[in-house]
Amino acid sequence: DTEVTQTPKHLVMGMTNKKSLKCEQHMGHRAMYWYKQKAKKPPELMFVYSYEKLSINESVPSRFSPECPNSSLLNLHLHALQPEDSALYLCASSQGAGGQYEKLFFGSGTQLSVL
Amino acid sequence: QKEVEQNSGPLSVPEGAIASLNCTYSDRGSQSFFWYRQYSGKSPELIMFIYSNGDKEDGRFTAQLNKASQYVSLLIRDSQPSDSATYLCAVVPMMDSSYKLIFGSGTRLLVRP
Repeated sequence: DTEVTQTPKHLVMGMTNKKSLKCEQHMGHRAMYWYKQKAKKPPELMFVYSYEKLSINESVPSRFSPECPNSSLLNLHLHALQPEDSALYLCASSQGAGGQYEKLFFGSGTQLSVL
Repeated sequence: QKEVEQNSGPLSVPEGAIASLNCTYSDRGSQSFFWYRQYSGKSPELIMFIYSNGDKEDGRFTAQLNKASQYVSLLIRDSQPSDSATYLCAVVPMMDSSYKLIFGSGTRLLVRP
């Protein structure tokens, strides 16, 4: 089973709303990732959690707040987003702690629209 | 210079032909290379990975790596219309030891029936 589950699949929010994206994996993977992908662009790394600790933050604005409650769950809390934040948000996981040979498995993504 | 470069395409091939997708990277110390397939509106799916120079075959897919030339390619034999998708090359550069997966901008492949 190589499934990473993301909810919701679609989200529309206003600039004053607070919402959360959720990601879950039950493969025993030790690293989890958030990527952002704009239309016709490659995925861009936002955050990496390794053994439930934040290991990489790619200078993401504070209106995006990641959380890793346990080894299977990863959340992305959203607050005061801008229309330019509209994108496909992808969660991924990898078996090890995020080393150079890690194979990332992606969830189906959350398509976010900020109005 | 971009870290990972791909021709955006579209690359159009007839059904049954070999599709050849290419990727170059800038960090000479890179050790791991991945190919992801992404259908429109879907998430990336890992289809091949390669760590050593040479060829690696899996079914209709062959990944080729030439570290001296900083070049990695993906060959798809007997291309099918269902192979029509964007193919993302991804590399883990060694420049800062944080092992971040960096994606190229992708090549769009169209397989004509």
